[in-house]
Amino acid sequence: AQSVTQLGSHVSVSEGALVLLRCNYSSSVPPYLFWYVQYPNQGLQLLLKYTTGATLVKGINGFEAEFKKSETSFHLTKPSAHMSDAAEYFCAVSAGGTSYGKLTFGQGTILTVHP
Amino acid sequence: EAGVAQSPRYKIIEKRQSVAFWCNPISGHATLYWYQQILGQGPKLLIQFQNNGVVDDSQLPKDRFSAERLKGVDSTLKIQPAKLEDSAVYLCASSSSREISYEQYFGPGTRLTVT
Repeated sequence: AQSVTQLGSHVSVSEGALVLLRCNYSSSVPPYLFWYVQYPNQGLQLLLKYTTGATLVKGINGFEAEFKKSETSFHLTKPSAHMSDAAEYFCAVSAGGTSYGKLTFGQGTILTVHP
Repeated sequence: EAGVAQSPRYKIIEKRQSVAFWCNPISGHATLYWYQQILGQGPKLLIQFQNNGVVDDSQLPKDRFSAERLKGVDSTLKIQPAKLEDSAVYLCASSSSREISYEQYFGPGTRLTVT
């Protein structure tokens, strides 16, 4: 079975500062990894995903994440935070080895951006 | 293209009452998911449909929850009778493929409060 741990339920940064949201996973087989963003009263939107190939993945809105197998991590970063980045972010894992595995989500990290 | 539609957006009921949620996926999407998102937690998959057949309902509390997807398009999720712990946001998502690497598109959700 797979699981996801997001370190820090709340992260606060200044506008223009680096954003770093941490995600560690557990999976018995090579995982597929995802980051989703959720704005208030809206559904989730895919930011980026890792399936196979290049371990540094670029997504929408300037976000990127790096898959590090040795550390079982998939941290999300953005060089410069913008006010519009304030939202809740979810890391998710699906067991690789099968294309049809279901997503298991972390508990989420609320990102606050202050001027 | 139109997104995933859900209704109602909000529902308040008393415990032991019944409630139903409706989802209209993106046109042409064969795969449909229902998730439960309890406050402070990530979404948890309840049931997955491929066309009008159930692919995975392992986490659906079948003694009180039921779901159907007649004609492989719209879907309804029902709770009967509701318990206090069912208070959550119920998210519907759809995808063009069962393969996990394909993006799931989420609706805005139905926020259920059980009193």
